[in-house]
Amino acid sequence: GAGVSQSPRYKVAKRGQDVALRCDPISGHVSLFWYQQALGQGPEFLTYFQNEAQLDKSGLPSDRFFAERPEGSVSTLKIQRTQQEDSAVYLCASSLARTGQGYGYTFGSGTRLTVV
Amino acid sequence: AQRVTQPEKLLSVFKGAPVELKCNYSYSGSPELFWYVQYSRQRLQLLLRHISRESIKGFTADLNKGETSFHLKKPFAQEEDSAMYYCALRQTYNFNKFYFGSGTKLNVKP
Repeated sequence: GAGVSQSPRYKVAKRGQDVALRCDPISGHVSLFWYQQALGQGPEFLTYFQNEAQLDKSGLPSDRFFAERPEGSVSTLKIQRTQQEDSAVYLCASSLARTGQGYGYTFGSGTRLTVV
Repeated sequence: AQRVTQPEKLLSVFKGAPVELKCNYSYSGSPELFWYVQYSRQRLQLLLRHISRESIKGFTADLNKGETSFHLKKPFAQEEDSAMYYCALRQTYNFNKFYFGSGTKLNVKP
């Protein structure tokens, strides 16, 4: 596609519910990133994939957060037993560069998650 | 630990006035610094990075290692510059993550 596509755009979840957020990167982009942006804050790194390999998951805040990219294209961020502090915009970005050194990251529009 | 600070949440200027968005960082190594911009209802996008020493849409930013700053400047603000601006740092040995500041909302008044 022309850009990074994220779905759904908005998600309201009841506390304790599991959610799955989807990211469709630009076709052929090797690197994929997830960021979490709380209200009034800048994005914070969650995890990074190079193709299907998750090379860095140091930013995942707890073991309730899980990300996968099984075929090296579409990625899913799953949050189990959601809590109110999980409310945020979840941003996905992709890059053609293998090492991540290239600055050409393309961000998606994000998924706004609200936990009630 | 690395940290990016943008001290102003909101900056309001009149059209044609100079603008400076402040960014300070803490990092023991030699960082890469970037400015990202998010216009209303649009995606986060790269504005400029320090190593290219470029001017984009009239904006420039100089990395001052002595003051650990990377302020964004424009001599004459335009209404279309109104947006959220984020300063970001990337470590030289780890290209895979950005550390973002909390952002400054620039409002250019007519």
